[in-house]
Amino acid sequence: DGGITQSPKYLFRKEGQNVTLSCEQNLNHDAMYWYRQDPGQGLRLIYYSQIVNDFQKGDIAEGYSVSREKKESFPLTVTSAQKNPTAFYLCASSTTQGARGETQYFGPGTRLLVL
Amino acid sequence: AQSVTQLGSHVSVSEGALVLLRCNYSSSVPPYLFWYVQYPNQGLQLLLKYTSAATLVKGINGFEAEFKKSETSFHLTKPSAHMSDAAEYFCAVSEDNQGGKLIFGQGTELSVKP
Repeated sequence: DGGITQSPKYLFRKEGQNVTLSCEQNLNHDAMYWYRQDPGQGLRLIYYSQIVNDFQKGDIAEGYSVSREKKESFPLTVTSAQKNPTAFYLCASSTTQGARGETQYFGPGTRLLVL
Repeated sequence: AQSVTQLGSHVSVSEGALVLLRCNYSSSVPPYLFWYVQYPNQGLQLLLKYTSAATLVKGINGFEAEFKKSETSFHLTKPSAHMSDAAEYFCAVSEDNQGGKLIFGQGTELSVKP
């Protein structure tokens, strides 16, 4: 059964701590994306990757880092530099790198809370 | 630069009534447009997608949307609301020259009253 998995479902961060959110897809998609969702603000793009070993900053990359060492995996690290990390984080993927109009398929999300 | 505006952050309808969720976009090239639905604490699910093949696009769960170039609109409709339609709905447009990136609207929360 193909899809996108995100773990954990809930994550708690202490001040000054880095945390990593997992995103795995078995859809054989080239492109992967990370979004942050805050109430009333829609989805904002953090980072995206169109191919393995390459990624680009989105609109709100400060305080976040990513890696793309494998096609199926695109982990997001929320660093201590991100001062307001409490949000719902969504990972997505699409089939073809760099193609306009490709549908993005979303994972179930991870809710990050600050202790 | 592209943008998407969804009019009304909250819409409330009675069960069986018409659902109309509004979306206006700006794009310097022929757009690709999407409607997604999000149920509480879940990811987004594609409802429908406009790719210039037909101006009236039919999606899942009885939803449809009409592309109107003259009005730069892509409103989402459903003839008869069901309680299970209560969710948040997002309109999105493909960026002009940035590959697969999408620009999302702020979202509209739909409530359905019995």
